[in-house]
Amino acid sequence: AQRVTQPEKLLSVFKGAPVELKCNYSYSGSPELFWYVQYSRQRLQLLLRHISRESIKGFTADLNKGETSFHLKKPFAQEEDSAMYYCALRGWGGSEKLVFGKGTKLTVNP
Amino acid sequence: DVKVTQSSRYLVKRTGEKVFLECVQDMDHENMFWYRQDPGLGLRLIYFSYDVKMKEKGDIPEGYSVSREKKERFSLILESASTNQTSMYLCASGGQAGAEAFFGQGTRLTVV
Repeated sequence: AQRVTQPEKLLSVFKGAPVELKCNYSYSGSPELFWYVQYSRQRLQLLLRHISRESIKGFTADLNKGETSFHLKKPFAQEEDSAMYYCALRGWGGSEKLVFGKGTKLTVNP
Repeated sequence: DVKVTQSSRYLVKRTGEKVFLECVQDMDHENMFWYRQDPGLGLRLIYFSYDVKMKEKGDIPEGYSVSREKKERFSLILESASTNQTSMYLCASGGQAGAEAFFGQGTRLTVV
């Protein structure tokens, strides 16, 4: 069974501080991991995915298969990063479901 | 620009009514998904479809059914609406595994 765990419901940091949003997963096969973000009054959108190994808006995430983790990091948080962040997992099969964690609400204080 | 459009932003229905939520995508995606989003519970998958007329149950299918007669349209049906189905419903579409999923704007359903 696929499972995504985000242990923090809420995370609050000050502007300029580093931020790390944790994500752990459980999946027997080879997973594809994603981070999605939802800003206030906007639709959910992709932030980044592990296969592309990009840095988006200063955020990075590394897939650690040994620890089954895909933590999202940013060295210097900005106020505009305040949003709801969801980690998601999908298998590589042709009919694999896309499963989300419960989300972490990040607040960046001035 | 990918568009996933849900037919209603807000709906208010009575207990016991049959409710249809419609979702249309314009990117020829094979996969479409229905989720409900509740505070503290995140996004929970109700059903998904990987091809026309093909569907699979997600994690919380009870009380729901789906229909996908055409590739671009995926409908969520509440057979007999109940108050515990009051929620935000999100539709998404995406390509094959590894591809990004695109979301609709959501339908906030209130069952009274």
